[in-house]
Formats: sequence, C-alpha cells, structure tokens
Amino acid sequence: EDQVTQSPEALRLQEGESSSLNCSYTVSGLRGLFWYRQDPGKGPEFLFTLYSAGEEKEKERLKATLTKKESFLHITAPKPEDSATYLCAAGGSNYKLTFGKGTLLTVNP
Amino acid sequence: DSGVTQTPKHLITATGQRVTLRCSPRSGDLSVYWYQQSLDQGLQFLIQYYNGEERAKGNILERFSAQQFPDLHSELNLSSLELGDSALYFCASSVLGTDKGEQFFGPGTRLTVL
Repeated sequence: EDQVTQSPEALRLQEGESSSLNCSYTVSGLRGLFWYRQDPGKGPEFLFTLYSAGEEKEKERLKATLTKKESFLHITAPKPEDSATYLCAAGGSNYKLTFGKGTLLTVNP
Repeated sequence: DSGVTQTPKHLITATGQRVTLRCSPRSGDLSVYWYQQSLDQGLQFLIQYYNGEERAKGNILERFSAQQFPDLHSELNLSSLELGDSALYFCASSVLGTDKGEQFFGPGTRLTVL
C-alpha cells in the first residue's frame, strides 16, 4: 500500500528563520511527487511537481528537492504570510495521489 | 482562484439523508477527482473520472457514488449519511488522465451531518 509520511506535524518559526519540511514516501512506481499549500478552510494550492531523484524546483522562498525515498521543502527566510499547512502527495502506478497529513507551519513576526 | 468551482459551499443535513455535491472542472481539464478531508484522516482520495469514465477508485464507501457528465462537470452523491461523514469534500481537476499531472483543487464543500 502506498504511504506518505510528513514531518514534523507542526513547525513554528520566527520570521527569517530558515528550515525544512520532510516528506517520506513508499510508492509503487512513483510517477510524480507533488507539494501543495493549504490555508484554513480552503482547497490545496499547487506548488511543485518533481518527477525524478535529484530534481529541484524553486518558487520565491520555497525550494523542493527529491531523492529516491524523500522530498524536502526548504523555506528560506520565511515571512508570516508563508504560514499554512504544506501537503506532500505521491502519484503511484495506480492513477491516484496519496497525501501525507501535512505540516502546519506558523511563522511569527 | 484555481478555476475549479464547487457548490454548495456549506451543507448541513441530518443522519440518514442523501446529498449531492457538484463540481465544475477548469476549462479544458478532462479529469475530475474527489477527495474527503477530515481532521484525523487527512486528505483521502475517493474516486477519479476521466472524460466521463471512471478511472480510479480509492477509499470510497458503497454509500457514496459519483459520475461525470458529457459537459465534464461531476457530482458526488452521498447517501444514508452518518455523523462520521462530516468533512470537507474537495474536487480537483487536471488535464491528463494519469496522476503525472498536477491537480487543481476547488474551494471545497463543508458537509455537516447532525
């Protein structure tokens, strides 16, 4: 069974304090690793797709990386507006996405 | 705004009842996905349709069913509702029929079963 585990469950940072979120996956035939941002009461917002180990993608203060077993979302010099839940999802060989439970990020001013 | 629309935004109903949730995908997207999100389970994949045909099934209960119409909008039907069905229900769409492409999510329907 496909599994995605995210850590930590919650992370509190001071503005400007860089850190990383982890996503470990066990998926049969990985077709893509996806990162989403979700604000309270809203739908997940697409951030990145990574397809192969070694691939990196960047968007503003966020950078996502992928290995054969994990993906990391690095947040550089975060701002309070980066506070949200970050979801990782793995696409396997069965046409569906398996989501992790997310990391709740809080950035204090 | 992802371009995916869902109605209604909120739904309050009683146990044993039946409800229908509606989703319109982004223009040009052929695939529609339904997800259930609860506090303890996270985001759970329910079912996928591609161009009117069922493509993949996840943890969807037998009391739940879905369909995708010729105009590509989709409906999720929930029947014999139980308290545990209270959750956020999201629809997502993508261009491709596989899971290789990114999915774009709607704003969700919050279902409360009393």
